[in-house]
Amino acid sequence: SQQGEEDPQALSIQEGENATMNCSYKTSINNLQWYRQNSGRGLVHLILIRSNEREKHSGRLRVTLDTSKKSSSLLITASRAADTASYFCALPGSARQLTFGSGTQLTVLP
Amino acid sequence: EAQVTQNPRYLITVTGKKLTVTCSQNMNHEYMSWYRQDPGLGLRQIYYSMNVEVTDKGDVPEGYKVSRKEKRNFPLILESPSPNQTSLYFCASRTGDEAFFGQGTRLTVV
Repeated sequence: SQQGEEDPQALSIQEGENATMNCSYKTSINNLQWYRQNSGRGLVHLILIRSNEREKHSGRLRVTLDTSKKSSSLLITASRAADTASYFCALPGSARQLTFGSGTQLTVLP
Repeated sequence: EAQVTQNPRYLITVTGKKLTVTCSQNMNHEYMSWYRQDPGLGLRQIYYSMNVEVTDKGDVPEGYKVSRKEKRNFPLILESPSPNQTSLYFCASRTGDEAFFGQGTRLTVV
């Protein structure tokens, strides 16, 4: 199963700024998901975007998918200290497996 | 409340002493899986189960066993733990695309 590659590995911003993180992959997919992990806790699903969608919104989250470039981006607008977490993209694999990258560690400074 | 429950949350054990980490979900999900999370390596799948009595190896199955006798439970067994199995472990379950994660089990093998 392929693994998504998140970029950057770490990101530090001020409260109120926007945060953008990216996920690149190698082979075609049906969908891509983004998850958040607060320090040492379980992952929480944020949003799923399908291969026939280019953009999706959920609250302050905006996800894009460019299948020609095999990449996705997650934008968090007007960030808050509570957004401090690791963010992972997840790709579907064979036998319904879900594979995760190494994540982007986001720190939002108050 | 829909949830995935892992126990214990923290465990320190000695090399070679068999242990079991339990995982239970109350959402009637067919698909369950175990991941380990290590710094810089992201989440790697250990084993997964597509339904009762159906289990298969993930990317890093060596040193682990699982069983799926009931739909709700998916225990992870370490027959003879070794220090390289020191990690943060997560159980996850799903029916559709979205995965629900337990809170994690931090295992230290000395």
